Amino acid sequence: DAGITQSPRHKVTETGTPVTLRCHQTENHRYMYWYRQDPGHGLRLIHYSYGVKDTDKGEVSDGYSVSRSKTEDFLLTLESATSSQTSVYFCAIQGLADTDTQYFGPGTRLTVL
Amino acid sequence: KQEVTQIPAALSVPEGENLVLNCSFTDSAIYNLQWFRQDPGKGLTSLLLIQSSQREQTSGRLNASLDKSSGRSTLYIAASQPGDSATYLCAVFNFNKFYFGSGTKLNVKP
Repeated sequence: DAGITQSPRHKVTETGTPVTLRCHQTENHRYMYWYRQDPGHGLRLIHYSYGVKDTDKGEVSDGYSVSRSKTEDFLLTLESATSSQTSVYFCAIQGLADTDTQYFGPGTRLTVL
Repeated sequence: KQEVTQIPAALSVPEGENLVLNCSFTDSAIYNLQWFRQDPGKGLTSLLLIQSSQREQTSGRLNASLDKSSGRSTLYIAASQPGDSATYLCAVFNFNKFYFGSGTKLNVKP
């Protein structure tokens, strides 16, 4: 399995507070992704990164920001958490080639009260 | 915008049956297509990846096919087992992004 971890694994927070989720990889892969998974919606891309300091938006990026200051770490920040951001968040990594498999972390379950 | 659809949403079969899961996508300009398995409360595990130039890939009891021109892929599971029970998702990759279907929840009954 690819070396990819997420922290925290579970978090409960209150509406209006900022929240940061961390994704860490040991594979030195170029591409990193943040998804959210909700019933009936499958996985939806929030943001992705194609290198240090290089990021781009996905289909559901509103209310989220990301940063990648090192190859191994990709941070997802909810600037002011809302109840609609209650979800399971997955980080994924992918190698350089378009043919490379995407590997997923174990997920973070976030509840916004 | 790429749309990925999986049919059926849920499937229940007796052990030993061969089965087919379907995936369709709207934009045929893809680099590859990947099938994943997800167990409850877990992350996704890659099963098979088919490059755009390929027609199929096989791994053990699993066979995935790709028809880019019609925007379709199938995942064939032979001799299903209770341990195959999980949600199966397909995803297509183009322009640095993966687009996922909502998955097919499979239950294999002993």
